[in-house]
Amino acid sequence: EAGVVQSPRYKIIEKKQPVAFWCNPISGHNTLYWYRQNLGQGPELLIRYENEEAVDDSQLPKDRFSAERLKGVDSTLKIQPAELGDSAVYLCASSLGPGRIAGELFFGEGSRLTVL
Amino acid sequence: EDKVVQSPLSLVVHEGDTVTLNCSYEVTNFRSLLWYKQEKKAPTFLFMLTSSGIEKKSGRLSSILDKKELFSILNITATQTGDSAVYLCAATQGGSEKLVFGKGTKLTVNP
Repeated sequence: EAGVVQSPRYKIIEKKQPVAFWCNPISGHNTLYWYRQNLGQGPELLIRYENEEAVDDSQLPKDRFSAERLKGVDSTLKIQPAELGDSAVYLCASSLGPGRIAGELFFGEGSRLTVL
Repeated sequence: EDKVVQSPLSLVVHEGDTVTLNCSYEVTNFRSLLWYKQEKKAPTFLFMLTSSGIEKKSGRLSSILDKKELFSILNITATQTGDSAVYLCAATQGGSEKLVFGKGTKLTVNP
């Protein structure tokens, strides 16, 4: 069974440029998460989707970050414009959803962003 | 504010040693505690704990939860160099799928 797939794996951009990350969750997983992980830190939730609905986006910096999950499957996370402090690994994860082995997340390999 | 605190932040041991990693949490409406192992890429799931005092084991790894004292430990016996990784602890809240992660413990096992 394929795991969570993310792309690109690495991205280097200059500040003020836009960037987008893509995630394909495990088939059948209704819940999708985007996390940001800074060096030496644990992952921090940016946004959580239940199917196509964003049910928790309280930690998403909405002035520059946006996300979508059209059709409740794939998702994209966009940053525009990027700032130096956005350099981090962006992790996508999926799970079966509420009431189904709640809490067991399957992570993708992450997209490492470097903003110069 | 919900928080998860792990200790130590970093640990260096020799192969064959036994290590204990600590995780304390303060999370509203706590439901479960999870341990993940993160090598150079994605965190991989190790354990989910929901009940106090029940040890979960997988090979040389074991974990237990104390819901009264709000902490969990992860034990690794007879460590191997392949155990070198960052071990993340996360707490989930009832009524949501939100995980609150700690900063992790970086374990280095030297030959």
